[in-house]
Amino acid sequence: GAVVSQHPSRVICKSGTSVKIECRSLDFQATTMFWYRQFPKKSLMLMATSNEGSKATYEQGVEKDKFLINHASLTLSTLTVTSAHPEDSSFYICSASGRGTEAFFGQGTRLTVV
Amino acid sequence: AQSVTQLDSHVSVSEGTPVLLRCNYSSSYSPSLFWYVQHPNKGLQLLLKYTSAATLVKGINGFEAEFKKSETSFHLTKPSAHMSDAAEYFCVVRGPGAGTALIFGKGTTLSVSS
Repeated sequence: GAVVSQHPSRVICKSGTSVKIECRSLDFQATTMFWYRQFPKKSLMLMATSNEGSKATYEQGVEKDKFLINHASLTLSTLTVTSAHPEDSSFYICSASGRGTEAFFGQGTRLTVV
Repeated sequence: AQSVTQLDSHVSVSEGTPVLLRCNYSSSYSPSLFWYVQHPNKGLQLLLKYTSAATLVKGINGFEAEFKKSETSFHLTKPSAHMSDAAEYFCVVRGPGAGTALIFGKGTTLSVSS
């Protein structure tokens, strides 16, 4: 299958700072990228859907000013957690989709806000 | 709208016995259905997918699933469990079109005892 690289895999930041997570499709053009959040021992919750060159569509309850998503190219999307708080600590996973039915997942980013 | 319901939050089996993880789906369209596995502190791995071809789908590691439209089910099975199968399993549905997100079930934790 296609490869999606997510970076960093782990990050620890202080409260009030911002953290950027990158998601890259390495061998295909990702027209759509999805960002998920996973709480401990819970399922993946869709946060937002982004199409290249367009503004992201956020799911209900997700603060767009806190979770900034940029999808400037067909191979890169970024999620920036702004003014991070301890409750933002979570596992964030990106997924990229080209023209097919399958979406490919990154390995996830473990964010810890202290 | 698409959704999936995983009927069991936790399944326990003995090594060498069959595994059955149940999933029902709801979709307004002909869905694409997937099973993913997530080992502790790891990313997601695709086990198998159904995309309106054969109704019996064979995946990796001896897993298979059968799409039953009349029952709106997509149960995951394996004839003989291994200790390494212990993990979290997610049933996932996706609507038509590359721009639609994958929607996850709540997950089933599979425990395998020796």
